[in-house]
Amino acid sequence: EAQVTQNPRYLITVTGKKLTVTCSQNMNHEYMSWYRQDPGLGLRQIYYSMNVEVTDKGDVPEGYKVSRKEKRNFPLILESPSPNQTSLYFCASSFIGSPLHFGNGTRLTVT
Amino acid sequence: GEDVEQSLFLSVREGDSSVINCTYTDSSSTYLYWYKQEPGAGLQLLTYIFSNMDMKQDQRLTVLLNKKDKHLSLRIADTQTGDSAIYFCAESLHNNNDMRFGAGTRLTVKP
Repeated sequence: EAQVTQNPRYLITVTGKKLTVTCSQNMNHEYMSWYRQDPGLGLRQIYYSMNVEVTDKGDVPEGYKVSRKEKRNFPLILESPSPNQTSLYFCASSFIGSPLHFGNGTRLTVT
Repeated sequence: GEDVEQSLFLSVREGDSSVINCTYTDSSSTYLYWYKQEPGAGLQLLTYIFSNMDMKQDQRLTVLLNKKDKHLSLRIADTQTGDSAIYFCAESLHNNNDMRFGAGTRLTVKP
């Protein structure tokens, strides 16, 4: 089944403890992206990648890192999480010029 | 900044039509999308329209595009309780992968 898989679905952590949210797609998509969803703000793009080893900042990149060493994986790294990074995170992928396919989301709480 | 705007809430009775409105920002947008988000799930692509079209119909869904006013609407005919969800409007810019989302309209369908 074609899908975008994120893990974990839920994560509760403490301020400053490094964490990684994984994202994997099995559709051979070139493009991958991370968004955060906050009430009343919709989806805001954190980082995106047009292909392997190519990553760029989105609208809200501060406090996040990504890597794209393989085509299928695009992990989101929070080196030192803070409470304002409590949010619902979505990974998405697509072929260039095609609609995005989304994962089911990761709900992160930073205390 | 520039925003894709939509009203946050809409409530209708089962069997009525729902109309969700959106205004977008960039007259050079090439595709305009409607995504549906059910509780606990990611965003699912409902439909999209190319910017050189005025209307697109797909079963119970009708998308209308007014390029002059940069206004997009989604009409759901014979709305069912299963249509209750958050609906996101999105525009794609330039390379068709730079997408901007509205804040989402929460549609509630009452029996």
